[in-house]
Amino acid sequence: LAKTTQPISMDSYEGQEVNITCSHNNIATNDYITWYQQFPSQGPRFIIQGYKTKVTNEVASLFIPADRKSSTLSLPRVSLSDTAVYYCLVVQGSARQLTFGSGTQLTVLP
Amino acid sequence: DSGVTQTPKHLITATGQRVTLRCSPRSGDLSVYWYQQSLDQGLQFLIQYYNGEERAKGNILERFSAQQFPDLHSELNLSSLELGDSALYFCASSAQGNYWEQYFGPGTRLTVT
Repeated sequence: LAKTTQPISMDSYEGQEVNITCSHNNIATNDYITWYQQFPSQGPRFIIQGYKTKVTNEVASLFIPADRKSSTLSLPRVSLSDTAVYYCLVVQGSARQLTFGSGTQLTVLP
Repeated sequence: DSGVTQTPKHLITATGQRVTLRCSPRSGDLSVYWYQQSLDQGLQFLIQYYNGEERAKGNILERFSAQQFPDLHSELNLSSLELGDSALYFCASSAQGNYWEQYFGPGTRLTVT
């Protein structure tokens, strides 16, 4: 069962790039890495997923090094509305185990 | 709006009681997942169903059970409730083969007094 570790909190300013790293030392070969965003009193929202190297979509990038023991979510030019908790989730290849990290509270300051 | 619906939004009940939480997945999604979110335990995966069949089990207590019906809606049954069961319960759904991209419902907040 993949165990993940994330920083508890991060602060940033509007317009800056934010990088949140998740450690998943015992990730298995067929595990995927995904990131979710959660606002208070709402369900998590899917941001991005990847297996290795770099993935980019319209809201974020995900960097995964060759050993896959960590991953970094990159949010370009954050705004106040990006203040939320960000979760790293390791999904076992057959989806038989889903392990959320403890989450990183990102606070974007004006 | 994720397209996943959950009822009720709030539930207050006493210790020892039994409750049922209901979830309707997005149209076309065959997989349903249940999660528990509490302050001290974070977001915990409970159980997954795919097209009516149990597919995976996480940290689900024996007092809890779930099922998915032919119309694909799902119910989570919590019995012999304890104070520690107070939490937000989320349901999520995903498209076939796309289990990493889950769509979460708004949650049911359960308070056990």
